[in-house]
Amino acid sequence: GAGVSQSPSNKVTEKGKDVELRCDPISGHTALYWYRQSLGQGLEFLIYFQGNSAPDKSGLPSDRFSAERTGGSVSTLTIQRTQQEDSAVYLCASSSPGLLSPDTQYFGPGTRLTVL
Amino acid sequence: GNSVTQMEGPVTLSEEAFLTINCTYTATGYPSLFWYVQYPGEGLQLLLKATKADDKGSNKGFEATYRKETTSFHLEKGSVQVSDSAVYFCALTPWGGNNRKLIWGLGTSLAVNP
Repeated sequence: GAGVSQSPSNKVTEKGKDVELRCDPISGHTALYWYRQSLGQGLEFLIYFQGNSAPDKSGLPSDRFSAERTGGSVSTLTIQRTQQEDSAVYLCASSSPGLLSPDTQYFGPGTRLTVL
Repeated sequence: GNSVTQMEGPVTLSEEAFLTINCTYTATGYPSLFWYVQYPGEGLQLLLKATKADDKGSNKGFEATYRKETTSFHLEKGSVQVSDSAVYFCALTPWGGNNRKLIWGLGTSLAVNP
């Protein structure tokens, strides 16, 4: 079956513009996570979805960041008024709590965001 | 709070050398522990995991044992290959609940020379 997919793979934008990053999790996976990988900060948790709700948004760095998930499937991470410090690789992962390997998260290839 | 500390790299070894990458953690209760690997130009892949004390995770010749008494999960391989060159991340998920967000170490870059 298909793995986690993300689009676009690369995004270059100008400071101040809004961007949307998309994640398609593995079919049937109810849990979805966004992480950010940057040179200065390593890997950081951003937000967790269980179904369409987000019980943990504690990793979102500012109110310019938001995310939603619809139909228990696709998720979109939106960054408004992008800043240069937002440049990073944004990673999405999904898992299926309750099955044999509930802790295993499967990662997408990431979206590399560059803010000029 | 929860945190993971792993040895800084880069680590450079010759082929067939023994590898150890140290990882220690701070967490309450019984977190699950993981090693992920990121090969050049590729995405993160789960290498191995352990979900309770004294469990040993193993895959592709790599091993790590969950040591609660020392809060450690050191990665080892007896004989590395050039193809093992990658960045290795130690991580944990907090104990309890459905939120299994990963808390990451900073990563250790490994280069294996022929």
